[in-house]
Amino acid sequence: EDQVTQSPEALRLQEGESSSLNCSYTVSGLRGLFWYRQDPGKGPEFLFTLYSAGEEKEKERLKATLTKKESFLHITAPKPEDSATYLCAVQHLNDYKLSFGAGTTVTVRA
Amino acid sequence: DGGITQSPKYLFRKEGQNVTLSCEQNLNHDAMYWYRQDPGQGLRLIYYSQIVNDFQKGDIAEGYSVSREKKESFPLTVTSAQKNPTAFYLCASKEGWGTGEAFFGQGTRLTVV
Repeated sequence: EDQVTQSPEALRLQEGESSSLNCSYTVSGLRGLFWYRQDPGKGPEFLFTLYSAGEEKEKERLKATLTKKESFLHITAPKPEDSATYLCAVQHLNDYKLSFGAGTTVTVRA
Repeated sequence: DGGITQSPKYLFRKEGQNVTLSCEQNLNHDAMYWYRQDPGQGLRLIYYSQIVNDFQKGDIAEGYSVSREKKESFPLTVTSAQKNPTAFYLCASKEGWGTGEAFFGQGTRLTVV
């Protein structure tokens, strides 16, 4: 059975304290891995797509990387506005199914 | 503006009643999805559709039904068979086989009273 597991469940950071979030996946063929940000009571917002092992994407203080079994979202020198839940999702190679992990809730204190 | 619209934003249902959540997109996307989110939890897939008049069960389809009669619309019915329907429901759409990202609506919060 396909699985997407995110860790840790929650992360509390001081402003400027860099850290990483993990997304490990077991899927029968990966078409793409997606990272989203979700604010409370809102729909998720797209951050990155990664297609193949070794790929990296960056946006402001965020950087996503991909290996054959997991992806990392690195947050460099976070600010309070980076506080959100970060979700990882995988799309299967041979159909349109899009499966999400449980998310990591990041809180950045000033 | 292109996007995906869910309505209503808040919905209250009495126990034993069926209720239908609306999802409309004008992005010309082939694929559409319904997810359920409980407090502090991730997104769990209810149903998804790859093309008009076709849909597949996700991981938690019991107690739900969908239809896809038009490309732009993918309504979700929460039936009385769903034992714990109170949750935040999210609809998404995506281009077909490409690896473009899914776009989400702003969600419907359903409460059983």
